[in-house]
Amino acid sequence: EAGVAQSPRYKIIEKRQSVAFWCNPISGHATLYWYQQILGQGPKLLIQFQNNGVVDDSQLPKDRFSAERLKGVDSTLKIQPAKLEDSAVYLCASSFKDSYNEQFFGPGTRLTVL
Amino acid sequence: KNQVEQSPQSLIILEGKNCTLQCNYTVSPFSNLRWYKQDTGRGPVSLTIMTFSENTKSNGRYTATLDADTKQSSLHITASQLSDSASYICVVSAMITTDSWGKLQFGAGTQVVVTP
Repeated sequence: EAGVAQSPRYKIIEKRQSVAFWCNPISGHATLYWYQQILGQGPKLLIQFQNNGVVDDSQLPKDRFSAERLKGVDSTLKIQPAKLEDSAVYLCASSFKDSYNEQFFGPGTRLTVL
Repeated sequence: KNQVEQSPQSLIILEGKNCTLQCNYTVSPFSNLRWYKQDTGRGPVSLTIMTFSENTKSNGRYTATLDADTKQSSLHITASQLSDSASYICVVSAMITTDSWGKLQFGAGTQVVVTP
């Protein structure tokens, strides 16, 4: 089966600019996750969707980050405006039903903010 | 404070040797514990998943153990290969209850470098 797809793979922007990332989960997976992984650290959950509803966005910096999952399939994560500390890899993952199930990760988008 | 602590932070081993990585957690109520392998520039890939009733699980040369009483897990790599060079991340899932949706807690990972 096809894995989790993400685009773009790399993005370089200047601070205060906007950026958007796209994720296409594995077909049939109800739960979608966005993680931020700073170099040398484990992934940090930003937001979790169950179908098209938000389950947890407690660690999402809502003043600058937003995410949506229209129709319960694809998802986009947006940063506006970007800060230097947003430089990280943004990972998208999906699981069949909920967090009990195995998560499958995409390759990530490496964001560099100059 | 992170609810999942991994040690060591990094280690270097010679090809063919064995090594053991440690994971201590405080997540409660416990549901399951997973070990992921993350190659540089790629997303994590699951190696093993264990519930509280399982105390060992193998995946090829990788063997994970779990002691739910002491809240400790280890990942043992046997006869290491150059392709084992990666970050190994311990992930613990809380049980889904009326008050908890089963949030995953990630460790910071152990960076393993296998040298020829």
